[in-house]
Amino acid sequence: SQKIEQNSEALNIQEGKTATLTCNYTNYSPAYLQWYRQDPGRGPVFLLLIRENEKEKRKERLKVTFDTTLKQSLFHITASQPADSATYLCALCSGNTGKLIFGQGTTLQVKP
Amino acid sequence: DTAVSQTPKYLVTQMGNDKSIKCEQNLGHDTMYWYKQDSKKFLKIMFSYNNKELIINETVPNRFSPKSPDKAHLNLHINSLELGDSAVYFCASSPGSRGDSGANVLTFGAGSRLTVL
Repeated sequence: SQKIEQNSEALNIQEGKTATLTCNYTNYSPAYLQWYRQDPGRGPVFLLLIRENEKEKRKERLKVTFDTTLKQSLFHITASQPADSATYLCALCSGNTGKLIFGQGTTLQVKP
Repeated sequence: DTAVSQTPKYLVTQMGNDKSIKCEQNLGHDTMYWYKQDSKKFLKIMFSYNNKELIINETVPNRFSPKSPDKAHLNLHINSLELGDSAVYFCASSPGSRGDSGANVLTFGAGSRLTVL
């Protein structure tokens, strides 16, 4: 069956460290993968998109990798700050209708 | 101006009632969606409309009926509400719906929390 898995346990790290979140998928062949941030009581906000032919994408302190052999994407936040504390969702496109399937998200807590 | 706005933000109602949630986007996007986020935070797609045409219709009870009067609006009507319908419902829009990956980046509304008693 098709699955997208993110670590459901919260990730706690110290301010200034690099946070690394994982998104694994099975029985999908996505052309691209997206990462979103969701704060409590708000809708998800788009952060980054990476295509299947891209190994890595960067935006300021954010970096995403995409390994189609391992069927895995890693999301890194360098020099993390308490303001980075949120839930991070990965999403991939299923089929040609543009349907985005989301993982359950990983909650990141950055402690000062 | 809010890009994707949905009303109401909170809705508390009794089992068996009928309720509607409205959504409007001012981004000029062609595609709109309804997602449901349950208590475990899973975000599941329910429906998608592209230029007023239904293109995604997941396995959702037919008590849920979306309506898109124009491409800027997508409303969700729910009949005979059940306890299990309690969730946060998110409206979203994107420039397009297929092909170009950039067309499928979603802008979400703030969510409508539905509580069925």
